[in-house]
Amino acid sequence: NAGVTQTPKFRILKIGQSMTLQCTQDMNHNYMYWYRQDPGMGLKLIYYSVGAGITDKGEVPNGYNVSRSTTEDFPLRLELAAPSQTSVYFCASRRGGDEKLFFGSGTQLSVL
Amino acid sequence: DQQVKQNSPSLSVQEGRISILNCDYTNSMFDYFLWYKKYPAEGPTFLISISSIKDKNEDGRFTVFLNKSAKHLSLHIVPSQPGDSAVYFCAASGYRGSSNTGKLIFGQGTTLQVKP
Repeated sequence: NAGVTQTPKFRILKIGQSMTLQCTQDMNHNYMYWYRQDPGMGLKLIYYSVGAGITDKGEVPNGYNVSRSTTEDFPLRLELAAPSQTSVYFCASRRGGDEKLFFGSGTQLSVL
Repeated sequence: DQQVKQNSPSLSVQEGRISILNCDYTNSMFDYFLWYKKYPAEGPTFLISISSIKDKNEDGRFTVFLNKSAKHLSLHIVPSQPGDSAVYFCAASGYRGSSNTGKLIFGQGTTLQVKP
């Protein structure tokens, strides 16, 4: 039972590079989320999706893009990486009617 | 503007004693609250939750208390065990019904250390 799987676990980017953080879940959850966690801070919502083909901005969407072509996958795209995007990124999912989020193990990203 | 605040960055307790973690919120529209536990290099995992229609919820060694008038909730761990050492996040949600998108607002987290 894999749950929410994120890849890669670690990545170092140079300023201006682009990358995609992958997230997939096998629980058939409609709702998926991307959060970032900075040191000493709580988790901030970047983007979320209520189902395939539907996405919306969260609290801190600038510099990111998402897509949701299938129920299982919710990739997060960073274009023109900046040092301010150095953070730990968590993908999460939940089923409708339940507030509990299930999180992946995170991607630690450094932009140098 | 921090809508959910955990004012204690860290807490250290002795094994077997009670751990009390606190959380304050400012938005009176929040009506569902959750606690998550996070170990290093892992994602947060759900611990316990409480709806605003209740003032207490228990699950084994973990109890969450909600004081709506004070906009305050707390997590009690009794007895504390070394394996409880982790970062604890409180989170709040105020979006109910069919349009609920579950956009949880998280506090900054409290690092709990339980000493043997």
